[in-house]
Amino acid sequence: RKEVEQDPGPFNVPEGATVAFNCTYSNSASQSFFWYRQDCRKEPKLLMSVYSSGNEDGRFTAQLNRASQYISLLIRDSKLSDSATYLCVLRGQAGTALIFGKGTTLSVSS
Amino acid sequence: EPEVTQTPSHQVTQMGQEVILRCVPISNHLYFYWYRQILGQKVEFLVSFYNNEISEKSEIFDDQFSVERPDGSNFTLKIRSTKLEDSAMYFCASRPQADTQYFGPGTRLTVL
Repeated sequence: RKEVEQDPGPFNVPEGATVAFNCTYSNSASQSFFWYRQDCRKEPKLLMSVYSSGNEDGRFTAQLNRASQYISLLIRDSKLSDSATYLCVLRGQAGTALIFGKGTTLSVSS
Repeated sequence: EPEVTQTPSHQVTQMGQEVILRCVPISNHLYFYWYRQILGQKVEFLVSFYNNEISEKSEIFDDQFSVERPDGSNFTLKIRSTKLEDSAMYFCASRPQADTQYFGPGTRLTVL
């Protein structure tokens, strides 16, 4: 099983749509969880950290289920500017290196 | 807002040559990292650096690679005797005591 698995997509949605991305991870001892966003040929940028209780930042909501080793990201009222690749990222038990999923591509159209 | 910077933005080299990729982390950050991303693939961890020494490295980071913090601001990745498969985007990242890592814009390395 891959360390971090994501549906690669692409997800093609109209403006205003709600879209959800899922991610599973294999190491139950993983410590920290994040969603990063990556635009084409650019660096990953932190979108939000993911907490066990779930957390929201504007139109974005992240959930973590440690028992199922599952992370989700919900984007409401999609904007054209949300078009990007969304990376599920975690930090393992040992050390501080980040472990990346391959990403899910979102394309929002008008 | 402080940013991680990297130079050059694009480096083209011949197979077998040595390259040095440079990074200036955010000034009050304590931990420094190199990652790489081969085109179309996921971002992969190479090495982390703390308190002037390597704290972690991946299987990718073999004897071909080395890192250095030659002064108070720069953090470099040296790749000796480059191979075609070293062609990738190389990202530097830094973080303070807290968990969040901030990435630089990357150096695109092309090995011919």
